[in-house]
Amino acid sequence: GAGVSQTPSNKVTEKGKYVELRCDPISGHTALYWYRQSLGQGPEFLIYFQGTGAADDSGLPNDRFFAVRPEGSVSTLKIQRTERGDSAVYLCASSPPGSTEQYFGPGTRLTVT
Amino acid sequence: AQSVTQLGSHVSVSEGALVLLRCNYSSSVPPYLFWYVQYPNQGLQLLLKYTTGATLVKGINGFEAEFKKSETSFHLTKPSAHMSDAAEYFCAVSPSGTYKYIFGTGTRLKVLA
Repeated sequence: GAGVSQTPSNKVTEKGKYVELRCDPISGHTALYWYRQSLGQGPEFLIYFQGTGAADDSGLPNDRFFAVRPEGSVSTLKIQRTERGDSAVYLCASSPPGSTEQYFGPGTRLTVT
Repeated sequence: AQSVTQLGSHVSVSEGALVLLRCNYSSSVPPYLFWYVQYPNQGLQLLLKYTTGATLVKGINGFEAEFKKSETSFHLTKPSAHMSDAAEYFCAVSPSGTYKYIFGTGTRLKVLA
């Protein structure tokens, strides 16, 4: 079946602009996660959704970052007033009910110029 | 705070030689443990996981890992390296009671002909 998909695969934006990154989880997966992977680092947790609600958003670095999952499926990560330090690969993952195993998408590479 | 340490950001082995990638975690409670592999321009793929039960875990592509509680380690091994094993490997923990992963900084494996 289809895996986790993320769009766009690459996004280049200017400093100060607003961006949206989309994640389409595996069908039937109730949990959804966002991570950020900076160059040479491992992924860092940003936010976790269980259904439509954010169960844990402790990893969001500041209030410029926001994520939604209005219907419990597709999620959008929104970044306002982008900064060059936001440049990274943003990964999305999903899990089936009752499982801690996460299935990762290919990521969106964000470059802020 | 929970942390994961992967010793050696780069490891080189000859084709056919033993692969050993090290992972240590800090946790007062045994967490769930995972190894993921990331090929260039691809998403993270689960190699193996430890949740409970047998401490020697076998995964895909001939990899295995052993959970050693006394050493807080979860090292990844493969008896004989193949050229196709060249990739970046990430160790991750999911602290007991949470679903978010904490990743190590990764080890890039190079396989020499």
